[in-house]
Amino acid sequence: QQQVKQSPQSLIVQKGGISIINCAYENTAFDYFPWYQQFPGKGPALLIAIRPDVSEKKEGRFTISFNKSAKQFSLHIMDSQPGDSATYFCAATLYNQGGKLIFGQGTELSVKP
Amino acid sequence: EAGVAQSPRYKIIEKRQSVAFWCNPISGHATLYWYQQILGQGPKLLIQFQNNGVVDDSQLPKDRFSAERLKGVDSTLKIQPAKLEDSAVYLCASSLGRTSDGSYEQYFGPGTRLTVT
Repeated sequence: QQQVKQSPQSLIVQKGGISIINCAYENTAFDYFPWYQQFPGKGPALLIAIRPDVSEKKEGRFTISFNKSAKQFSLHIMDSQPGDSATYFCAATLYNQGGKLIFGQGTELSVKP
Repeated sequence: EAGVAQSPRYKIIEKRQSVAFWCNPISGHATLYWYQQILGQGPKLLIQFQNNGVVDDSQLPKDRFSAERLKGVDSTLKIQPAKLEDSAVYLCASSLGRTSDGSYEQYFGPGTRLTVT
């Protein structure tokens, strides 16, 4: 019940295309859903996050769509660029567990020029 | 603002040896986390500190792993004795905690890549 399932495991997109990564969770007590971006040799960095009382959040080319009833959320990267090539992790956290992050398995995105 | 610092960046040891990792969080961050990231997987929380007290160590293999956070600032994570399956990147993160808009942000260090042979 504490798991977050992420798909696909890897994704290849042409420059200018849309990258879509999906996540699903079981625990309805999760109250914060961040996405992290990780480049090789670096730690994860927060990209964008959403709370469950919001259905969509957009920041620049990055959009989170959140479906509370389906217990699913997704990251859309519009106009994907080669510099977006990285590993993306969805995560979920519980307020009453002090911000402990439960990460998905990760998606390795490659944007081809 | 300086980020989370970790050292060493890389470490190679033989099984049954011991190893220690060091983390210096962002100044003023009360919460500190250690995560283990096995190749091809998402980070998994090992231990969480609030100031110098342990909040959650439910996934820490306590027979071989230990961690401390002296004076509520720097932290060390130790493995003794190491096993082959401990090969991973060990990430340290820190956080101010929950903000007024209900969000949490954890800031991660670059990690220490441990190889156990």
